[in-house]
Amino acid sequence: EIVMTQSPATLSVSPGERATLSCRASQSVSSNLAWYQQKPGQAPRLLIYGASTRATGIPARFSGSGSGTEFTLTISSLQSEDFAVYYCQQYNNWPPLFGGGTKVEIK
Amino acid sequence: QVQLVESGGGLVKPGGSLRLSCAASGFTFSDYYMSWIRQAPGKGLEWVSYISSSSSYTNYADSVKGRFTISRDNAKNSLYLQMNSLRAEDTAVYYCARAEPSDSSGWYYFDYWGQGTLVTVSS
Repeated sequence: EIVMTQSPATLSVSPGERATLSCRASQSVSSNLAWYQQKPGQAPRLLIYGASTRATGIPARFSGSGSGTEFTLTISSLQSEDFAVYYCQQYNNWPPLFGGGTKVEIK
Repeated sequence: QVQLVESGGGLVKPGGSLRLSCAASGFTFSDYYMSWIRQAPGKGLEWVSYISSSSSYTNYADSVKGRFTISRDNAKNSLYLQMNSLRAEDTAVYYCARAEPSDSSGWYYFDYWGQGTLVTVSS
């Protein structure tokens, strides 16, 4: 079973700064990786699929990159509404697995 | 717009049963695979089950196999999760989600989620 590891667990960033989140798979998942954002008390929201394709309505400040085992979610200039927990998910193999999440908090 | 609304959660004793429902609207429900995903309090996301658009294919996480049953009624635009032999570790918010297929792998990511329904298993 593939293991998805996200780092760091918590990222402290000032508004307007860039945030870089990492997701590593224990074996190749090709480009079958998605990123989700979850705010407190809300359901997750799809941000990125196919490692780098933004979902409908997602602002351009969110970008995804990587393939194989190493992936990155970059938020180019953090807005107040971006402080949340972010999860990656692989869908290359069964079962579909999520990483443990990265909490992006205000510095 | 796509809307998914879960219901049926609540407090149940260990060993008990519960049936969750998810009402879908804003898209052609019968065209899509659907899934249940759960999140224990303060924890991360755990995929629970898939069902194909025609109900011909279902799949379960090892943690729920043999205890949970996913089903759907395309005429009613509804998804269900029958949960039996519930355990304390099944306590979680349960989300229904629409599944989108990968172009290459045959597996799915989740493009729309409901707001979730809380299941608490406790004596």
